[in-house]
Amino acid sequence: EAGVTQFPSHSVIEKGQTVTLRCDPISGHDNLYWYRRVMGKEIKFLLHFVKESKQDESGMPNNRFLAERTGGTYSTLKVQPAELEDSGVYFCASSHAGGLATEAFFGQGTRLTVV
Amino acid sequence: QKEVEQNSGPLSVPEGAIASLNCTYSDRGSQSFFWYRQYSGKSPELIMSIYSNGDKEDGRFTAQLNKASQYVSLLIRDSQPSDSATYLCAVSGTYKYIFGTGTRLKVLA
Repeated sequence: EAGVTQFPSHSVIEKGQTVTLRCDPISGHDNLYWYRRVMGKEIKFLLHFVKESKQDESGMPNNRFLAERTGGTYSTLKVQPAELEDSGVYFCASSHAGGLATEAFFGQGTRLTVV
Repeated sequence: QKEVEQNSGPLSVPEGAIASLNCTYSDRGSQSFFWYRQYSGKSPELIMSIYSNGDKEDGRFTAQLNKASQYVSLLIRDSQPSDSATYLCAVSGTYKYIFGTGTRLKVLA
């Protein structure tokens, strides 16, 4: 069974540009999460989808970030326009069930560098 | 005070020894607790989950949970150089995880 896959693995963009990150969850997982780790800090929650619906986007830093999950399968996270402080590693995770947290499986992350 | 606290390390132990990793959390409503292992540049890999007070053993790994003390730990017996990685503690009340910064473990051959 394929794990959570993320594309690209690395992205270097200039301030002001747009970047789109993609996540393919484990097949059959309705729950999809985005997390971010900035340098020296802990991994922090960004948002949670159940199928195609956003359940919680309380962790999204600001309106420059837009996440979508059309059709309840893969998800994209777009940053537009990117700022220097957006640099970090963006992780996607998926799990079978929501409610009480069940085990989530993580992708390898996308390392975003904004210069 | 951070929501989930871990000593960043590095924690160095000799091969064959027991490595003890600790984590404290602030939210008494937390119900689910996880340990992830992360090698540099790789995805966090789930190694243990624990939901009730006490010990849970899986192979060389034992997770310990004490909700009264808001404390969760991971013991690795017979540590191997391949166990050298960053260990992340994650705590959850509902569906989202709150992570610690991780403890870097070095197992010396």
